[in-house]
Amino acid sequence: EAQVTQNPRYLITVTGKKLTVTCSQNMNHEYMSWYRQDPGLGLRQIYYSMNVEVTDKGDVPEGYKVSRKEKRNFPLILESPSPNQTSLYFCASSLSAFSYEQYFGPGTRLTVT
Amino acid sequence: GESVGLHLPTLSVQEGDNSIINCAYSNSASDYFIWYKQESGKGPQFIIDIRSNMDKRQGQRVTVLLNKTVKHLSLQIAATQPGDSAVYFCAEKMGDRGSTLGRLYFGRGTQLTVWP
Repeated sequence: EAQVTQNPRYLITVTGKKLTVTCSQNMNHEYMSWYRQDPGLGLRQIYYSMNVEVTDKGDVPEGYKVSRKEKRNFPLILESPSPNQTSLYFCASSLSAFSYEQYFGPGTRLTVT
Repeated sequence: GESVGLHLPTLSVQEGDNSIINCAYSNSASDYFIWYKQESGKGPQFIIDIRSNMDKRQGQRVTVLLNKTVKHLSLQIAATQPGDSAVYFCAEKMGDRGSTLGRLYFGRGTQLTVWP
């Protein structure tokens, strides 16, 4: 089944404890992206990647890191999480940067205390 | 920054009625407009898209209308069903060039509730 998977789905952590949220897609998509979703603010892009080893900042990149060593994986790293990073995170992928249909993962709900 | 917005944050309709969800945008350079549906506890799911050189596009039970004169986009759902209850987002793709290549900009969403 073609899909985008994220792990973990739920995470509660403390301020400053490094964490990684994994994202994987099995559709051989070139383009991958991370969004955060907050009430009243919709979806905001954190980072995106047009292909392996090519990443760039979205609208809200502060406090996050990403890497794209393999085509299928695009982990989101929070080196020192803070409470303002409490949010719902979505990974998405599309065939290429020119595609307009993005496929979203199920989401990761992160709480930083 | 975000340039896509919505007229109403919530919409309640009775089952069987038609629903109209509206969206305003501000960037004339957008090439594509896309509607996504997000059910509770799930990620957004693509519904339908429309290219900027079109006025109307129809899918199964859904129609998207684009009015470039007033920069307005709408999603019409015919014979709305309880399974249509979700948050609906419009998104714009601002063209395949420069720093906007590949990026989608989402509106804040409209919660559609369908009553039996």
